[in-house]
Amino acid sequence: GAVVSQHPSWVICKSGTSVKIECRSLDFQATTMFWYRQFPKKSLMLMATSNEGSKATYEQGVEKDKFLINHASLTLSTLTVTSAHPEDSSFYICSARLLAGSSYNEQFFGPGTRLTVL
Amino acid sequence: KQEVTQIPAALSVPEGENLVLNCSFTDSAIYNLQWFRQDPGKGLTSLLLIQSSQREQTSGRLNASLDKSSGRSTLYIAASQPGDSATYLCAPRGGADGLTFGKGTHLIIQP
Repeated sequence: GAVVSQHPSWVICKSGTSVKIECRSLDFQATTMFWYRQFPKKSLMLMATSNEGSKATYEQGVEKDKFLINHASLTLSTLTVTSAHPEDSSFYICSARLLAGSSYNEQFFGPGTRLTVL
Repeated sequence: KQEVTQIPAALSVPEGENLVLNCSFTDSAIYNLQWFRQDPGKGLTSLLLIQSSQREQTSGRLNASLDKSSGRSTLYIAASQPGDSATYLCAPRGGADGLTFGKGTHLIIQP
């Protein structure tokens, strides 16, 4: 149980285009999902917290107009990188928080999406 | 702002050894702390979750301890195997919902 999927697993795009990444909780409902970014040999950094049915909360330094987050259902959150540039190339990972049972507050992570902007 | 430090940054040992990975964090006001492993180019696999009221958690060959007041956690790996090779990350959860990660310990278990 507690499986989180991401799609696509990798994407290559031209500079200036927009890219949408999906994060799904497959076997549980998640009112809260999180988006992280990981640059090579660096720590994962939280970008934003996504709550179902409300606006996302962005971390300091993360442009909300550039990284659009939509959490329309209890099992799906999307991250759209708008007008992507080479410096946006990174590994994007989502996580979902399990609410029920003994694993309350535990976060389960998706497999990540490798974005390369040419 | 929470800062997480993991020591050592890298470790290479022959299989069979018992290992201790260290994690320290600056803000002790945490709700819980998770340990993860990350394989190259992959997402994170949750290993253990310790609530702030707990002192340790065990899962198989893994044992994690938490000393919240001193801002420290350790991950103990018993009888290491080549399949344990990965980067191990600790992440305390503070007042905000998201996790703060250290840079990890890159572990290589030699066959």
